[in-house]
Amino acid sequence: EAGVVQSPRYKIIEKKQPVAFWCNPISGHNTLYWYRQNLGQGPELLIRYENEEAVDDSQLPKDRFSAERLKGVDSTLKIQPAELGDSAVYLCASSAGGLAATDTQYFGPGTRLTVL
Amino acid sequence: SQQGEEDPQALSIQEGENATMNCSYKTSINNLQWYRQNSGRGLVHLILIRSNEREKHSGRLRVTLDTSKKSSSLLITASRAADTASYFCATARSEKLVFGKGTKLTVNP
Repeated sequence: EAGVVQSPRYKIIEKKQPVAFWCNPISGHNTLYWYRQNLGQGPELLIRYENEEAVDDSQLPKDRFSAERLKGVDSTLKIQPAELGDSAVYLCASSAGGLAATDTQYFGPGTRLTVL
Repeated sequence: SQQGEEDPQALSIQEGENATMNCSYKTSINNLQWYRQNSGRGLVHLILIRSNEREKHSGRLRVTLDTSKKSSSLLITASRAADTASYFCATARSEKLVFGKGTKLTVNP
């Protein structure tokens, strides 16, 4: 069974440029998460989708971040414009049941973003 | 914001020794989960312990939970070099999983 796929694995951009990350969850998983992990920290939830609906985006900085999950499968996270403080690893995860508190979450390898 | 606090921040042991990591948290939880992250990789789920459970085992892993002290521990027995990774506790509450900062474990061969 294929795991969570993310691309690109690495991205280096200059500040004020836009950037997008792509995630393909495990087949059949209805719940999809985007996390941001700063250096030396644990992941912090940015947004959670149940199918195509964003059910928790309270931690998403909406002035510059946006996300979509077309058809309830793949998802894209975008930053426009990027700031120096956005340098981090962006992790995508998926789970089967839709109960974030009890389900095992399966993580992708992440995209390491460096903003210069 | 991060609820869990792992202790120690870093741990270095010899292969074959046991490794113990602790996690403290602040509010009531539904369950507590432990994840492992190898360098440059995503997180891997290790074990989940519910709030009404006190101890759980999985292979060489043993997790305890003390809800009165709001703390949990992860014990890895007979450690191997391949156990070198960062270990995170994550507390589950109100449909949200909140991760701590992690313990970086190094197992020397």
